[in-house]
Amino acid sequence: GAGVSQSPSNKVTEKGKDVELRCDPISGHTALYWYRQSLGQGLEFLIYFQGNSAPDKSGLPSDRFSAERTGGSVSTLTIQRTQQEDSAVYLCASSLYAARSGNTIYFGEGSWLTVV
Amino acid sequence: RKEVEQDPGPFNVPEGATVAFNCTYSNSASQSFFWYRQDCRKEPKLLMSVYSSGNEDGRFTAQLNRASQYISLLIRDSKLSDSATYLCVVIDNAGNMLTFGGGTRLMVKP
Repeated sequence: GAGVSQSPSNKVTEKGKDVELRCDPISGHTALYWYRQSLGQGLEFLIYFQGNSAPDKSGLPSDRFSAERTGGSVSTLTIQRTQQEDSAVYLCASSLYAARSGNTIYFGEGSWLTVV
Repeated sequence: RKEVEQDPGPFNVPEGATVAFNCTYSNSASQSFFWYRQDCRKEPKLLMSVYSSGNEDGRFTAQLNRASQYISLLIRDSKLSDSATYLCVVIDNAGNMLTFGGGTRLMVKP
């Protein structure tokens, strides 16, 4: 596609349920990033993929969070046993290669998660 | 201390004003720097890269000061449409980690 595509765009779930968020990066982009942004807050790094491998998982807030990427393309972020504090917008971004100067990072519109 | 720090604002300025934002970073090995713009409830979008020599794009000028570890963004002749949150982004030397500042909110008034 032309841009980074995320789904669902909005998700309301009950506390304790699992949710899966999907990201389709720009075709050919090897680097993929997940960020979380709570209302009125800055972006919190979650995980970075280069191809299918995740050299940096340092940002995942707990073992309830996991992510994978298959075929060097689509990525899914799974949150198990959701808690109210997980409510946020989950932003996915991609870049052609690692995000050095000259490799623009493009964001999707985000998946807005509300845990009730 | 946060890795990347910005004054959250808001900066309230009249149309036509010149406004400047600073962003400080703590990792001296950081290699790449960007300014992103984020409108309310929208995703961040690249505004401009920041180069050591400084760079200008129309009404926007970005500067990097490695010695003092800060970057700046200057907006001249502010427009109503410039109202947004401006995010400073610092990338480590491996290109793996994009660290965002908390953003500076700008409100341009008529």
